[in-house]
Amino acid sequence: KQEVTQIPAALSVPEGENLVLNCSFTDSAIYNLQWFRQDPGKGLTSLLLIQSSQREQTSGRLNASLDKSSGRSTLYIAASQPGDSATYLCAVPGGGNKLTFGTGTQLKVEL
Amino acid sequence: DGGITQSPKYLFRKEGQNVTLSCEQNLNHDAMYWYRQDPGQGLRLIYYSQIVNDFQKGDIAEGYSVSREKKESFPLTVTSAQKNPTAFYLCASSLRLAGDNEQFFGPGTRLTVL
Repeated sequence: KQEVTQIPAALSVPEGENLVLNCSFTDSAIYNLQWFRQDPGKGLTSLLLIQSSQREQTSGRLNASLDKSSGRSTLYIAASQPGDSATYLCAVPGGGNKLTFGTGTQLKVEL
Repeated sequence: DGGITQSPKYLFRKEGQNVTLSCEQNLNHDAMYWYRQDPGQGLRLIYYSQIVNDFQKGDIAEGYSVSREKKESFPLTVTSAQKNPTAFYLCASSLRLAGDNEQFFGPGTRLTVL
């Protein structure tokens, strides 16, 4: 059974710092990995989807990497801003495109 | 403006009542999903549907029911058999039910049992 772990559970950084969020998964037979952002009381916003054949995917200040063999993905956020404060979730699809989620990293970027 | 809508945003239920959560999408997606989110836990899959008139149980289907009469709509009913229904419910869709398809989520419905 696929298990997804995210470390750290919470992170507080000053504005402007570059930071890395980690996601690990136990079954490397995945099609892709998605990173989501969730603001308090809101739905999930898809940030990046990395296909299994890719090693990196970039969108603006966000860069996600995927290492299937080691069961790891990282989300790199450059020059963090207070507006980046949210919970970040990673997820991998299983049979029938059913996503298995990590419990998330709660990020706070302080002025 | 394409997307997924969920209603209501907040829902209150008395003990013993059934309630229905609405999910509509205009993305022309075949597959739709319902997830439940509880504090400190990852999202868990309740039901999913590959196509109209088809749906399958997810990991925590007990106490829930769904229908898929139209491609755009996938309502979730929380029945009185669900012992702990207070949670945040999220609906999602993808183009197809295949592992390489990106999922898109609605804004969620927060259900509280009084």
